[in-house]
Amino acid sequence: SAVISQKPSRDICQRGTSLTIQCQVDSQVTMMFWYRQQPGQSLTLIATANQGSEATYESGFVIDKFPISRPNLTFSTLTVSNMSPEDSSIYLCSVTGQYYEQYFGPGTRLTVT
Amino acid sequence: RKEVEQDPGPFNVPEGATVAFNCTYSNSASQSFFWYRQDCRKEPKLLMSVYSSGNEDGRFTAQLNRASQYISLLIRDSKLSDSATYLCVVNTGFQKLVFGTGTRLLVSP
Repeated sequence: SAVISQKPSRDICQRGTSLTIQCQVDSQVTMMFWYRQQPGQSLTLIATANQGSEATYESGFVIDKFPISRPNLTFSTLTVSNMSPEDSSIYLCSVTGQYYEQYFGPGTRLTVT
Repeated sequence: RKEVEQDPGPFNVPEGATVAFNCTYSNSASQSFFWYRQDCRKEPKLLMSVYSSGNEDGRFTAQLNRASQYISLLIRDSKLSDSATYLCVVNTGFQKLVFGTGTRLLVSP
């Protein structure tokens, strides 16, 4: 399985500001995924990021709020824009394995005050 | 109806016990199925894939019933280290995974 790192591991931010989360994979992958896990909840897919094309967002998530970059096959960023306390969550990136399973980064724990 | 449903638990069992988790999914076109384990404040980690013929990995056995849209995970001889949340995960197509809310397991001495 791929080795995935995320930066930052955690952050505390003020409402109205933005945070960019980085995801780095140790091998080239076509698709990368961004998830959110709110406190006490399971994972919800935010968007799928393909290199060279715009990200595909799930219902309830919009590009203006969660812009994503995918400049190459090993890296992606997710920005949480104009944050509010409701954005306090763990944000995780993932990549697909050989049999459509996914492997996750360690997550970014975001607290918005 | 949720796409993937699990009993949230918690399941409290003593060491050495056998425990079973169940999961149902709503999309009959779902293509592949997985159990993940998530420890507190950690990312989910793949425990095992679930095949139509059933599969076993040590103390863990997973089974799939496509007709009933039902997935199960059996853990034998529970260890303290098995305490975690177990997530039922379904691939609904286009590599999209849908996660259940998870079943929490607490194994006590």
